[in-house]
Amino acid sequence: AQTVTQSQPEMSVQEAETVTLSCTYDTSENNYYLFWYKQPPSRQMILVIRQEAYKQQNATENRFSVNFQKAAKSFSLKISDSQLGDTAMYFCAFMKPSKLTFGKGITLSVRP
Amino acid sequence: DAGVTQSPTHLIKTRGQQVTLRCSPISGHKSVSWYQQVLGQGPQFIFQYYEKEERGRGNFPDRFSARQFPNYSSELNVNALLLGDSALYLCASSLRPPSNTEAFFGQGTRLTVV
Repeated sequence: AQTVTQSQPEMSVQEAETVTLSCTYDTSENNYYLFWYKQPPSRQMILVIRQEAYKQQNATENRFSVNFQKAAKSFSLKISDSQLGDTAMYFCAFMKPSKLTFGKGITLSVRP
Repeated sequence: DAGVTQSPTHLIKTRGQQVTLRCSPISGHKSVSWYQQVLGQGPQFIFQYYEKEERGRGNFPDRFSARQFPNYSSELNVNALLLGDSALYLCASSLRPPSNTEAFFGQGTRLTVV
């Protein structure tokens, strides 16, 4: 069975600064997908970024980038130039074969 | 284009009752998955349906059941409700079993069991 661990329950960052959210996972699979989802107070789960395990290159989406370390089973999210709208819960998730396994999430607060 | 729609948005039920939650996927999406999110936790996988067939089931009791209709919409049924069933129930749709595609989530149904 796959497990996803997010050990930081909450973090705070000043607007315009950079923050990194940590995630580790455990699996015996070789091919899989990793995701970061954002859940604001509206409850809608929004995909932030996706990484295919077979790709060595780290995924990037505008201000969001990941540091994917397959051997270490680590998948951290870096948010650059933090904005007030980034305030939300962030979930790391693993997909294989057809279901998502989520971590417990981290509450990120962006301070003005 | 309409996203994933779920109904109702909020629901209050009494212990022992039965509840039906509904989900309409994005047009053209044939796969629907259900997740339960207890307050303060990440979502837990309940079911996945593709082309009207169950393709995956999480570690939930038989009180939980689901089905997918010919138009690819889906219903999640929970019988004999317990206080512990209080949660946000999320529906996600994707083009095909999400091995390499995004899962798009609805806003969820908040179920409170009293």
